[in-house]
Amino acid sequence: GAVVSQHPSWVICKSGTSVKIECRSLDFQATTMFWYRQFPKQSLMLMATSNEGSKATYEQGVEKDKFLINHASLTLSTLTVTSAHPEDSSFYICSARDSQRGVYEQYFGPGTRLTVT
Amino acid sequence: GNSVTQMEGPVTLSEEAFLTINCTYTATGYPSLFWYVQYPGEGLQLLLKATKADDKGSNKGFEATYRKETTSFHLEKGSVQVSDSAVYFCALSDPTYTRTQGGSEKLVFGKGTKLTVNP
Repeated sequence: GAVVSQHPSWVICKSGTSVKIECRSLDFQATTMFWYRQFPKQSLMLMATSNEGSKATYEQGVEKDKFLINHASLTLSTLTVTSAHPEDSSFYICSARDSQRGVYEQYFGPGTRLTVT
Repeated sequence: GNSVTQMEGPVTLSEEAFLTINCTYTATGYPSLFWYVQYPGEGLQLLLKATKADDKGSNKGFEATYRKETTSFHLEKGSVQVSDSAVYFCALSDPTYTRTQGGSEKLVFGKGTKLTVNP
């Protein structure tokens, strides 16, 4: 149980285009999902917290107009990188919090590798 | 601000060796502490946690004790196996993070330590 999937697992796009990454909780409902970014040999950095049915809360320094987050249902959150540039190349990881479990339990997806050429 | 520092890897051990991965933290208030493990090609999984000082978290032979006096949460295992090869992340829940609608706890991660266990 408590499986989180991400799609795609990797994507290559051209500079200036937009890319959408999906995060799904497969066997539980998630009122809250989190989006992280991980650079090589660096820790995961929280980008934003996504709450179902409301606007995402972005961390300081994260451009909300560039990283669009939509949490339209209890099992799906999407991250859209708009007008991508090479510096947006990174590993993006989502996690989901099971609504029925303890507040500290986050379940992580396998990540999406984005390369912008 | 809140931060987590863990020993840099990679760490390479032989099977049945003793493992220690050091983790120290800086936080205001009283955070909860976690170790996550990421196996190749998979997402991070919670390995163990401790929510208050002197608590010991344990799972799959791994242990870590919440030491408030030394602000540490070192991960240990007495006898590692090849299947323990993974990247290990120490993390804390930010106690000053404001709860939003539905409740959430911000996690602050260390950089991760890659462990390779050879047969």
